Amino acid sequence: NAGVTQTPKFRVLKTGQSMTLLCAQDMNHEYMYWYRQDPGMGLRLIHYSVGEGTTAKGEVPDGYNVSRLKKQNFLLGLESAAPSQTSVYFCASMIAGETQYFGPGTRLLVL
Amino acid sequence: AQSVTQLGSHVSVSEGALVLLRCNYSSSVPPYLFWYVQYPNQGLQLLLKYTTGATLVKGINGFEAEFKKSETSFHLTKPSAHMSDAAEYFCAVSGGAQKLVFGQGTRLTINP
Repeated sequence: NAGVTQTPKFRVLKTGQSMTLLCAQDMNHEYMYWYRQDPGMGLRLIHYSVGEGTTAKGEVPDGYNVSRLKKQNFLLGLESAAPSQTSVYFCASMIAGETQYFGPGTRLLVL
Repeated sequence: AQSVTQLGSHVSVSEGALVLLRCNYSSSVPPYLFWYVQYPNQGLQLLLKYTTGATLVKGINGFEAEFKKSETSFHLTKPSAHMSDAAEYFCAVSGGAQKLVFGQGTRLTINP
């Protein structure tokens, strides 16, 4: 049981490049979330999903897209990366009413 | 809407001293409250949570927190700090649709 895993662990992008971050969970959780963590700002919700095939916007969705084609995977896409998207990205998953379990994070640097 | 304020972005205590990390929340519905810990270069790990019932909640690693509705607070305490407690701590409140709203975090430093 690996829990929540994130791929890649670290990435450097140039402004304007695109990339996809992958989150996978093997706990059969319905809910999945993408957060970004910036110094002094805690974690802010980017997008989330309440089930396979559904997604919704969080607090800071601009510049990101997501997809949940399979229950166990939640993808976060950056179509045209900007330096303001330099951050640490965390994925989490949960069963309704329970606790969110977090992945180890992806560090993204946009030059 | 829900919000969380953590008082003090940095807290420093001596090994063996009391740890007190402050959290105040705002919620339009009865809140679920959480404390998470983040060690360097790692994800977040749940320390404890309050949903309903007993207002004093015990968590892992000797931490506990008390839900005080009248003060809208959920402060985290540990009677005796250990060097291994050095980490960043996040308070969170459950918003609608099973979402969490986090405070800005408090970095705890333990002095030998």
